[in-house]
Amino acid sequence: EVKLLESGGGLVQPGGSLKLSCAASGFDFSRYWMSWVRQAPGKGLEWIGEINPDSSTINYTPSLKDKFIISRDNAKNTLYLQMSKVRSEDTALYYCAREGVRRGYAMDYWGQGTSVTVSS
Amino acid sequence: DIVLTQSPASLAVSLGQRATISCRASQSVSTSSYSYMHWYQQKPGQPPKLLIKYASNLESGVPARFSGSGSGTDFTLNIHPVEEEDTATYYCQHSWEIPLTFGAGTKLELK
Repeated sequence: EVKLLESGGGLVQPGGSLKLSCAASGFDFSRYWMSWVRQAPGKGLEWIGEINPDSSTINYTPSLKDKFIISRDNAKNTLYLQMSKVRSEDTALYYCAREGVRRGYAMDYWGQGTSVTVSS
Repeated sequence: DIVLTQSPASLAVSLGQRATISCRASQSVSTSSYSYMHWYQQKPGQPPKLLIKYASNLESGVPARFSGSGSGTDFTLNIHPVEEEDTATYYCQHSWEIPLTFGAGTKLELK
């Protein structure tokens, strides 16, 4: 059974940093593109970025490219999102999602999300 | 960026009737073989769930009352007959280019 479990969320002060993790199981993590998607309270879905299986290609939505860094450790079956210079607008539920073995696939599995609150 | 415009923003449908949700892309997301448009369902407190991939391909385990159609810039999600459990917000998403984007969502309620 495919499972994605996010962790690392919490309360962070404006301007601070936070690193989220997504532990994957039930599939060959090292073969799949992975994405991060966030959802502000009561709002829609916003794609943050994606990473390919060997980390040689990482794509971001332009507005977040200078704030967030996506990485992965295939040996640990874990995806990461390093957040920096956070602002109140970054308050959201952060999901990791599995894409496919090539770019352009739909996101077929999602975690339950980890909540990030930016506040002083 | 490709902008996905969903309509309506909300709709109320009676049990057993048809729900139709539209998604219009600001540019084509189709080749002669594939349309890079996908549909998701999200219920309150839950992550999105993939319903339809590549415009018209039903994801495994999704009931056949869900169907998708369209190509180029115009896409449609149909639900017929609507059941109580279909109350949710529905999103379209393209994977044509970077950045990936989602539509703003359509909230489906029962009359």
